[in-house]
Amino acid sequence: DTGVSQDPRHKITKRGQNVTFRCDPISEHNRLYWYRQTLGQGPEFLTYFQNEAQLEKSRLLSDRFSAERPKGSFSTLEIQRTEQGDSAMYLCASSLLGGGYEQYFGPGTRLTVT
Amino acid sequence: GQQVMQIPQYQHVQEGEDFTTYCNSSTTLSNIQWYKQRPGGHPVFLIQLVKSGEVKKQKRLTFQFGEAKKNSSLHITATQTTDVGTYFCAGGNTNAGKSTFGDGTTLTVKP
Repeated sequence: DTGVSQDPRHKITKRGQNVTFRCDPISEHNRLYWYRQTLGQGPEFLTYFQNEAQLEKSRLLSDRFSAERPKGSFSTLEIQRTEQGDSAMYLCASSLLGGGYEQYFGPGTRLTVT
Repeated sequence: GQQVMQIPQYQHVQEGEDFTTYCNSSTTLSNIQWYKQRPGGHPVFLIQLVKSGEVKKQKRLTFQFGEAKKNSSLHITATQTTDVGTYFCAGGNTNAGKSTFGDGTTLTVKP
């Protein structure tokens, strides 16, 4: 059973550097979500895709964040010019359109910006 | 925008006691989902509710969706140490693919 996978699991970077995270959803899932979670908070929505189309992006998200899902399968989330406030767990989730509202989360990528 | 609030933020119980967490939305929802996140883990889907007044049970867990579809609750009967974790509700809107998560209720169980 292949669930949602994310790579890397941990990333330490210096302020100002760019980072890119990858998410591989459950193979038949056509919806893919990115969230950010900090300690003591619930997952905060960043963006989501239906197949390769990015349908919504949080207004809280700065222009330094960009996400792609070029072939409707895996997705990447890039953060440019990282800031210390970007330190968080970045979670990816996938779901099946028409299959209910449940989302299946990956293990996350923990980003630390020093 | 849509806001989802959960209370309490923390709940400490003795093993065997009951536990309830409440979820309230600022807007009417089309559905609500509940997730559990163990310490160091990621959210794991528990259940979804879509009908007004719906009640669903999973063993010792009872989930309820309010008549107005703006609130929900999760009740655990006779807690066990395996119930520890943070319970999140997430509210969905038919017109949007995303769900808005509350900040969760963290349950600790003293044996």
